Amino acid sequence: QEQLQQWGAGLLKPSETLSLTCAVPGGSLGGYYWNWIRQTPGKGLEWIGEINHMGSANYNSSLISRVTISVDTSRNQFSLKLRSVTAADTAVYFCARLGYDFYKGYMMDNWGPGTLVTVSS
Amino acid sequence: EIILTQSPDTLSLSPGARATLSCRASQNVGSKHLAWFQQKPGQAPRLLIFGASSRASGIPDRFRGSGSGTDFTLTISRLEPEDFAVYYCQQYGSSPQVTFGGGTRVEIK
Repeated sequence: QEQLQQWGAGLLKPSETLSLTCAVPGGSLGGYYWNWIRQTPGKGLEWIGEINHMGSANYNSSLISRVTISVDTSRNQFSLKLRSVTAADTAVYFCARLGYDFYKGYMMDNWGPGTLVTVSS
Repeated sequence: EIILTQSPDTLSLSPGARATLSCRASQNVGSKHLAWFQQKPGQAPRLLIFGASSRASGIPDRFRGSGSGTDFTLTISRLEPEDFAVYYCQQYGSSPQVTFGGGTRVEIK
């Protein structure tokens, strides 16, 4: 399977909106949940939210007031927007695919390479 | 929120040694909902184990996951040079939907 591909602006000023997109090469979005996760040295790995191909999304309650995850099935892409960023949002952001095997369980088995987003004035 | 606590923080071992990593949950986690990842510097986490004990595609059989309820273990039977990395446990399904442990670093002694 090809690795997810992701892109977006890497340097933001406080109060701006973080915007990242993740592409799913060679396949459709159906049958999975598509996730955004970020990583900082201080807080480790933090789940941001997920969306399926129908547009049904779930968010981390700590970020729900600022985050929107959307899906574009025609382009096999999904996106993250995080509003009103501060220095605390500086992190490496990953997109990831979550699948489910009825007999074995949930598997987050395909990740993008990560995008370093720095928030600085 | 389910909190995952990993121990130890760091494991210093020689190649060929056996590594035993622990992940303890603050509440019961269904076995289908527990996974282990390996991460190397500058890379995304890589799925090793899902459903507490099923190896992901391409993962060698020296990696073994076990446990249930609140206590889970990742065992690496004989450390190879490429196994020195940071390992995370993860649970899926309890709001927030996904949480990760703080990680265990396996370093060369």
